[in-house]
Amino acid sequence: DSGVTQTPKHLITATGQRVTLRCSPRSGDLSVYWYQQSLDQGLQFLIQYYNGEERAKGNILERFSAQQFPDLHSELNLSSLELGDSALYFCASSVTLAGGSTDTQYFGPGTRLTVL
Amino acid sequence: TQLLEQSPQFLSIQEGENLTVYCNSSSVFSSLQWYRQEPGEGPVLLVTVVTGGEVKKLKRLTFQFGDARKDSSLHITAAQPGDTGLYLCAGAGTGGFKTIFGAGTRLFVKA
Repeated sequence: DSGVTQTPKHLITATGQRVTLRCSPRSGDLSVYWYQQSLDQGLQFLIQYYNGEERAKGNILERFSAQQFPDLHSELNLSSLELGDSALYFCASSVTLAGGSTDTQYFGPGTRLTVL
Repeated sequence: TQLLEQSPQFLSIQEGENLTVYCNSSSVFSSLQWYRQEPGEGPVLLVTVVTGGEVKKLKRLTFQFGDARKDSSLHITAAQPGDTGLYLCAGAGTGGFKTIFGAGTRLFVKA
């Protein structure tokens, strides 16, 4: 158990809909990262938040957005869903050391999104 | 653009064989992590290496960080079916917030 929790574990929805995925980082971790992993693919970095602020952006679609709340949990919002958005979505957290250098990321169990 | 290249992409071997997986980049990393991921589950951290030339052992797994901190290898001795999975390396950048992941090596160990 990495200490990172994600809900829900599974999500089935229809095209055009909007969903929210939730992540709680490990205790003490200030950074949260979101990744997308399609079938048999590697991890695609979407976005990172550090202590409530956006820190880095990857290949995140405009239909997707995220935020990190004062209690450090994070939500990933996916809207106008398309069939191709079906994937595993992982959240990871890390301490993020002073000086800005990144450190080890610990992953949650993921949310499997199926868009029908 | 920083890139981490993993090789091979796919490896299918018999139980008991040895194997080495490589992770290479032209960038220097402050640290490098190896993860193992099983289907439908999140990546699980195996090791973090931070010092150039560092070697770490985890039972039958040996991890090495290159002297220049640009590359790493994972060697598995006497592979077992339980080693089957996707092995990912990740490099943490220097002076920034970005970590990059390799595309992974998918290992299948046949009994």
